[in-house]
Amino acid sequence: DIQMTQSPSSVSASVGDRVTITCRASQDISRWLAWYQQKPGKAPKLLIYVASSLQSGVPSRFSGSGSGTDFTLTISSLQPEDFAIYYCQQTTNFPLTFGGGTKVEIK
Amino acid sequence: EVQLVESGGGLVQPGSSLRLSCGASGFTFSNYWMNWVRQAPGKGLEWVANIKQDGSEKHYVDSVKGRFTISRDNAKNSLYLQMNSLRAEDTAVYYCARDVDFYDRSLVYWGQGTRVTVSS
Repeated sequence: DIQMTQSPSSVSASVGDRVTITCRASQDISRWLAWYQQKPGKAPKLLIYVASSLQSGVPSRFSGSGSGTDFTLTISSLQPEDFAIYYCQQTTNFPLTFGGGTKVEIK
Repeated sequence: EVQLVESGGGLVQPGSSLRLSCGASGFTFSNYWMNWVRQAPGKGLEWVANIKQDGSEKHYVDSVKGRFTISRDNAKNSLYLQMNSLRAEDTAVYYCARDVDFYDRSLVYWGQGTRVTVSS
């Protein structure tokens, strides 16, 4: 199985900050990576697919990059509604696997 | 509007069975892979299983192989998860989710989840 490792596990940031979350795959997954946002008590929401494609309706302050084994989710200017947990997921090999999550907290 | 509505969760004893259902609307159900994803209390997301458009291909996470069966009824726009020999570690909120498209397994639409608790 492909292991997905996210870092950091949590980050404290202020409104307006630039936040970067990384995700590393245990083997080459090309660009088959998705990013999700989850708020308490809610289902996850797809933000980015195929590493850098912005899902319809997602604000442009979210961006994704990377290929192979190393990927990044960047929030260019953190907004109050962005405080949540973010997960990466590899979407190429079964079983599909998620990273452990990164909690973005208010500083 | 795409909607996915799960049902069938509840409190069951270890070793028992449960069948989850997911009703879909707002899209052509038979055109998409469908998935089950779970989240244990206070934990991260775990992909459980998925099924191809015509049901001819199914995949499972190792921890549920031989105990869980995913199925679908395209005529009823419904997805199912038959869960047998349930264990305490199967306690979670179970979400059904739809793939982005034919080529990409990213999960674009999710239901609200149904809670399964396995406890004596």
